[in-house]
Amino acid sequence: DTGVSQDPRHKITKRGQNVTFRCDPISEHNRLYWYRQTLGQGPEFLTYFQNEAQLEKSRLLSDRFSAERPKGSFSTLEIQRTEQGDSAMYLCASNEWDVSSNYGYTFGSGTRLTVV
Amino acid sequence: GNSVTQMEGPVTLSEEAFLTINCTYTATGYPSLFWYVQYPGEGLQLLLKATKADDKGSNKGFEATYRKETTSFHLEKGSVQVSDSAVYFCALSSDSNYQLIWGAGTKLIIKP
Repeated sequence: DTGVSQDPRHKITKRGQNVTFRCDPISEHNRLYWYRQTLGQGPEFLTYFQNEAQLEKSRLLSDRFSAERPKGSFSTLEIQRTEQGDSAMYLCASNEWDVSSNYGYTFGSGTRLTVV
Repeated sequence: GNSVTQMEGPVTLSEEAFLTINCTYTATGYPSLFWYVQYPGEGLQLLLKATKADDKGSNKGFEATYRKETTSFHLEKGSVQVSDSAVYFCALSSDSNYQLIWGAGTKLIIKP
């Protein structure tokens, strides 16, 4: 297993366009998380899935954002009608979670979005 | 609510110096504590973790001890190298919360 993969690594888009990012987690991990990180800040939670179910969405996630994990494997994060404020690093992470474990995630390298 | 506070950076040290990066937390219950490192242009890597009070996490010469009495998880290394230059994040995950709560990060610069 090569870890958590994210694609693309970089995306430059014009304001108003839609963008979609993909995340492939570690295959045996049941949980997948999306975070957003702006320069000089720690990551901010966006949403997470357990298998294919989206269990929580942050209030940060406006109606323009949608995420899916259709078969409980890879996930996509789509941003519609991008705005300059959406420029950030979008991080995906995964872990194998159960009620007895509470350990850290494995992160991907992130997708850096620049909205011009 | 849960929160993590880290010392502000940047922290600039000479090679072979002793490193401490302070981290304190506020949390309900019994959180797990983590240090992540982010090298320039890369994603976040788990450096070390501790899941209960008095546990010591260690990796690559870095150590941190989970101190419940002082609600702290300070990162230490006895002799830093230029290759340790990165941003270090302290984070917690409570036993009732799926999220990681992050500090703002501390940039470490090691000069030869």
